[in-house]
Amino acid sequence: DAGVIQSPRHEVTEMGQEVTLRCKPISGHDYLFWYRQTMMRGLELLIYFNNNVPIDDSGMPEDRFSAKMPNASFSTLKIQPSEPRDSAVYFCASRPDPEYEQYFGPGTRLTVT
Amino acid sequence: KQEVTQIPAALSVPEGENLVLNCSFTDSAIYNLQWFRQDPGKGLTSLLLIQSSQREQTSGRLNASLDKSSGRSTLYIAASQPGDSATYLCAVYLNTNTGKLIFGQGTTLQVKP
Repeated sequence: DAGVIQSPRHEVTEMGQEVTLRCKPISGHDYLFWYRQTMMRGLELLIYFNNNVPIDDSGMPEDRFSAKMPNASFSTLKIQPSEPRDSAVYFCASRPDPEYEQYFGPGTRLTVT
Repeated sequence: KQEVTQIPAALSVPEGENLVLNCSFTDSAIYNLQWFRQDPGKGLTSLLLIQSSQREQTSGRLNASLDKSSGRSTLYIAASQPGDSATYLCAVYLNTNTGKLIFGQGTTLQVKP
């Protein structure tokens, strides 16, 4: 398996624009997680899905953020409108079930100017 | 609220030294604990997963231990090499049903040749 795939790897956008980050989990993994990493706050869980259903979105910072998982092989994290404080590295991770470890994607580095 | 602390925040050692990285968590009611490595500008690589029924895991020169009652885990690196230079992150799983990970801020290790 190719591992968790994220796109784009880098995104530079202007404040106010819509940003969509994409993730393809490892095949067969029932859980998908979105994280954000900043120098100030470290790694934070934003939302996670189980069998395509959002289970906990308490980490989503505000209504400008939304996430979907239309099928088992694809998820998106959308920011609309984007702000400079959203600049961070966004990671997607997946795992087969609670007994196993999480596998992380390479991340998307987002810069909002 | 579960908090994970890693000490020290940074560590510099000469090549060949054995070293210990520390991780502590405030709530002992965790499920699993996972150690990750992160290279600059890269994603997270899983090193070791210690399941709730285990007290330690070993992989090559790495050994991780877990003491849930005291809220502590250690990562032991034997005979350190310059290639071990990276940030090491400790993360706890809150419980089996959520799969949520709470991360520490990491220890940045530099191994000098």
